[in-house]
Amino acid sequence: DQQVKQNSPSLSVQEGRISILNCDYTNSMFDYFLWYKKYPAEGPTFLISISSIKDKNEDGRFTVFLNKSAKHLSLHIVPSQPGDSAVYFCAAKGGTGTASKLTFGTGTRLQVTL
Amino acid sequence: GAVVSQHPSRVICKSGTSVKIECRSLDFQATTMFWYRQFPKQSLMLMATSNEGSKATYEQGVEKDKFLINHASLTLSTLTVTSAHPEDSSFYICSARGQPNQPQHFGDGTRLSIL
Repeated sequence: DQQVKQNSPSLSVQEGRISILNCDYTNSMFDYFLWYKKYPAEGPTFLISISSIKDKNEDGRFTVFLNKSAKHLSLHIVPSQPGDSAVYFCAAKGGTGTASKLTFGTGTRLQVTL
Repeated sequence: GAVVSQHPSRVICKSGTSVKIECRSLDFQATTMFWYRQFPKQSLMLMATSNEGSKATYEQGVEKDKFLINHASLTLSTLTVTSAHPEDSSFYICSARGQPNQPQHFGDGTRLSIL
């Protein structure tokens, strides 16, 4: 049972344009959401996060939007750069205190073309 | 930023060998460490969670006698794959977190290949 879903396995965007990566979840108990970027043969790198009490968080070129009623979040990257090409995972946090843990989506491979 | 060091990055060994993977938080105290396994083109699957000084909590379907986890200090956790077999070949990634409200930071993973 996949509680966090990224339905687009891949996305190609031209340099300078906006990249929009989507993520859906089913567990309404998730209270914190994160986006990670991953290059091959490396561990994921934390990008940006959002609490369930907010609907938007912005950090430079990266903005995460959360629609709780739709159980949907998205990551916007603008302008997209070739160095953004990687696999992006969304993750949702459930549980409390030290028992809290992340559930990851299956990832979306972003290719930024020149 | 926070750095998590995972070692070794790659291991190739014979079936029946036990393999130990180390995960260190270099610039923060990791109250909690996590071990994940990733199959090709799939998501990161959580194997177990360990809090410093406590026994690890394993996810359903993960054999605790097969995957031994030790979190003896606030900066070091180890995963030992005991009597490894070809089906244990995978990409193993650790991550560490300071406080529960802080993001997890990941190591670069270990590619384990069992011949």
